[in-house]
Amino acid sequence: GAVVSQHPSWVICKSGTSVKIECRSLDFQATTMFWYRQFPKQSLMLMATSNEGSKATYEQGVEKDKFLINHASLTLSTLTVTSAHPEDSSFYICSARDLQWLAKNIQYFGAGTRLSVL
Amino acid sequence: DAKTTQPTSMDCAEGRAANLPCNHSTISGNEYVYWYRQIHSQGPQYIIHGLKNNETNEMASLIITEDRKSSTLILPHATLRDTAVYYCIVSHTGTASKLTFGTGTRLQVTL
Repeated sequence: GAVVSQHPSWVICKSGTSVKIECRSLDFQATTMFWYRQFPKQSLMLMATSNEGSKATYEQGVEKDKFLINHASLTLSTLTVTSAHPEDSSFYICSARDLQWLAKNIQYFGAGTRLSVL
Repeated sequence: DAKTTQPTSMDCAEGRAANLPCNHSTISGNEYVYWYRQIHSQGPQYIIHGLKNNETNEMASLIITEDRKSSTLILPHATLRDTAVYYCIVSHTGTASKLTFGTGTRLQVTL
C-alpha cells in the first residue's frame, strides 16, 4: 500500500517551453501533496504544499507563476514548470499524505522526475 | 520545527547492525522524530517514526532517549541495498505540518 506514482520519470525540453509533472496516489486519498526540488548533491527543498480544491502554498523564494500547481482531486496533483530555463534543471519529487492517517503525518514519495532544460 | 544534527557519513559491514545517531536537543514536547531514507536517484522512503517510546517495524528500530534530545535508528542486519542517505526529521503532526530535510547521513554498506 501507500504508493505514489510520478510521471514522467525523465524529461528533456527546450528552453522556453513548459513541462507538466503528474503525481498520483494510487491506493489512498491525499488532501495534501507536497512538491520538492533537489539539486545534485544537495538535500530536498520544499517548494510548495498542495491542498485539494484550494490554492497551493509556496515556500519563500519559489515563484508561484513559474511553478503552477493544481490539485483537482484527492489522488492527483500536477506541477507545471512554465517557460523552463536551464537553471530549472533539477530533480522534482512529489509526496502525498494519507488522509486516513493524518495524525501520523507520514509522507509517501514518488520516484521523482529528472528535468533537463536545454 | 526543531533542527537535527547527523554525522555526514558512516560505513557498515553487510550483515552487521547499522546504528545511525541523530541529535535533536531543541525538540519540543509534541514533536515526533521521523526517519526517511533516499536511495540514489529515487524519492525518499519512510522508515519509522516515534514520539518518546522506542518503536520497531519490519524495516528498523527507533530508540529515543528519555530526555528525547537524541535518537538512534537501528538497521539490525544491514544489506547492500540499505546503502542510502538517511534523514532524521523532527516535526509536529497535524494538517499544517511539513518535513524539513537536512543533509542526512550517507550510509555505505560494504561486503
